[in-house]
Parts: sequence; C-alpha cells; structure tokens
Amino acid sequence: ETGVTQTPRHLVMGMTNKKSLKCEQHLGHNAMYWYKQSAKKPLELMFVYSLEERVENNSVPSRFSPECPNSSHLFLHLHTLQPEDSALYLCASSQDPNSGANVLTFGAGSRLTVL
Amino acid sequence: GQNIDQPTEMTATEGAIVQINCTYQTSGFNGLFWYQQHAGEAPTFLSYNVLDGLEEKGRFSSFLSRSKGYSYLLLKELQMKDSASYLCAVMDSNYQLIWGAGTKLIIKP
Repeated sequence: ETGVTQTPRHLVMGMTNKKSLKCEQHLGHNAMYWYKQSAKKPLELMFVYSLEERVENNSVPSRFSPECPNSSHLFLHLHTLQPEDSALYLCASSQDPNSGANVLTFGAGSRLTVL
Repeated sequence: GQNIDQPTEMTATEGAIVQINCTYQTSGFNGLFWYQQHAGEAPTFLSYNVLDGLEEKGRFSSFLSRSKGYSYLLLKELQMKDSASYLCAVMDSNYQLIWGAGTKLIIKP
C-alpha cells in the first residue's frame, strides 16, 4: 500500500470514552503531522514529529495525546473529549519540515463525532 | 497577525475558466501552496510558487506576486471533476504553514 493511510475513517465516541486514531505512511518521509479540519475554517496544526521527535505542539488540550513509535506510524490518543472536538482529523507526512518546498501528503482523514 | 484570505465559495460553468484568488499577510515568505480537496478525500498538492510569475501545469496555472501578497489559481476548460475545495497556504519565515479556509468550487453543467 502506498501513500498515507488513516484508520478509522469514521469514529463516534462519548465524552467519557478513550479511543485512538492511527496513521501510517509508506513514503519514507521524515516528518508526520496531525491537523484538525473544521467546516469553513483553516486547517489547524496540532502536532508535528520530525524523525520521531515532537517538534511542534500548538497549545493543544491535553485530552489529545500524540504518539510516534517510529517514522512510519503516528497515533492520536483521545480521552474525555468535548462535542466541539468533533471534526475531521487529517494526518500528513513530508520529507523535510524545514524546507520551503515542503509538500505535504495527506491521508483521507478520520471523521470524529463526539456525543 | 498572520492571515490568508480566499473566497468561501465560487460557481463556474463546465468548459469555462475560473480564477481563485488568495491574499496573504505573513511573517516572512518561503513559498505559497495550492491544494485540492474533494469532499471526503485527502487534500492533494497542486502547485508551489516561491518566485513571482505564472507556473503552468496542464489545465491549472498558479500565479504569485510577492510585492502584492497575492496569488491566484487559474483553472481552464473546467470539468465536473474539478468541483472541490481549493486550499491556499503560505509558508512563513519559520517554515510554518499558514492556511486559508479554502474555496469551495461548484461546477455546473
């Protein structure tokens, strides 16, 4: 399989649940990202990992917890979420986050609904 | 603050030409990107401009004026499959990507 794969594609959870989103890239890229996409809003960068080290954490609430066990896999652990966290969560990868021509390859996203 | 502006929605006719504008105010500039996102799908890379001028790729072209903080994406010979959202993003001096909210393009027969 090629590209960036995200699972699950759809997730419905209650505010007290714990769940995880998974992302896998088969491109040999060095950096991986989590973005939040809400309707009619710009993409919000949540976390960036470069060579498996977290290099960016944009004041994301602690109820979101990332994990990057290796350069091909990225997880987003979710617990005690709020209804306003309902959104599309996009994973992306790129070769070099410190390059101007840093083209991102995105996954199709995980649509999260918090009840 | 940093800001990217693009129209929320545009409508065009199949076979016609449409221009989607993007204006930006950012802390420095390391390039401007356009991505296409079909509903329910991943955003996909369309173009990258770092120097002024027009870059052409088949039916799609992207223009940049750094002095004006302005770019546009030009789509020619529109097809129904071009119905999508088009995202403009600028990389600032810290290599942070600043995103616009996207332009939803509706193509009518």
